[in-house]
Amino acid sequence: AQSVTQLDSQVPVFEEAPVELRCNYSSSVSVYLFWYVQYPNQGLQLLLKYLSGSTLVESINGFEAEFNKSQTSFHLRKPSVHISDTAEYFCAVDTGRRALTFGSGTRLQVQP
Amino acid sequence: EAGVAQSPRYKIIEKRQSVAFWCNPISGHATLYWYQQILGQGPKLLIQFQNNGVVDDSQLPKDRFSAERLKGVDSTLKIQPAKLEDSAVYLCASSFGQLGETQYFGPGTRLLVL
Repeated sequence: AQSVTQLDSQVPVFEEAPVELRCNYSSSVSVYLFWYVQYPNQGLQLLLKYLSGSTLVESINGFEAEFNKSQTSFHLRKPSVHISDTAEYFCAVDTGRRALTFGSGTRLQVQP
Repeated sequence: EAGVAQSPRYKIIEKRQSVAFWCNPISGHATLYWYQQILGQGPKLLIQFQNNGVVDDSQLPKDRFSAERLKGVDSTLKIQPAKLEDSAVYLCASSFGQLGETQYFGPGTRLLVL
């Protein structure tokens, strides 16, 4: 069975500082990897995903994540965060079942 | 394009009562999912439909939870009888069902069982 670990439940950071949200997974088969974001009072929405090819994937709002097969990780990074990035971020995997297994989430709190 | 619709948005019931949630997926999406998100945890898959057939319900507590998607479009999830530990947000999502495809989530129904 697959599992997803997000070690940091909360990450406080100052505006314009860099941030990394960590995600590790365990699976005996190849996976597809996702980061979903939940802004306050909104539903879950896709931030970015890795399917194949280049191990570095980017979102339209400056986030990027790198798939590292040897370390079974898919950490999310942003070089300079904004107040508007305050949200909960969920890492998820799909092992080909077309259903997602989520981590427990990381709450990113951007402070002015 | 309309998103995934869910109703009601909030529901408060007493334990042992029954409750039902409704979901209307994005038009054309063959696959529909129900997830349960307990406070402080990530969403957990309860049941997955492909058209009107069940693909995976291995994590659905079948003694009290049931779900149906009779015409392959909208779906209902029912809990009968409810327990305190069923307090959670129930999320519906849909997709075309392709490998690696993005799932689109509704706003969720927040259930509080007293």
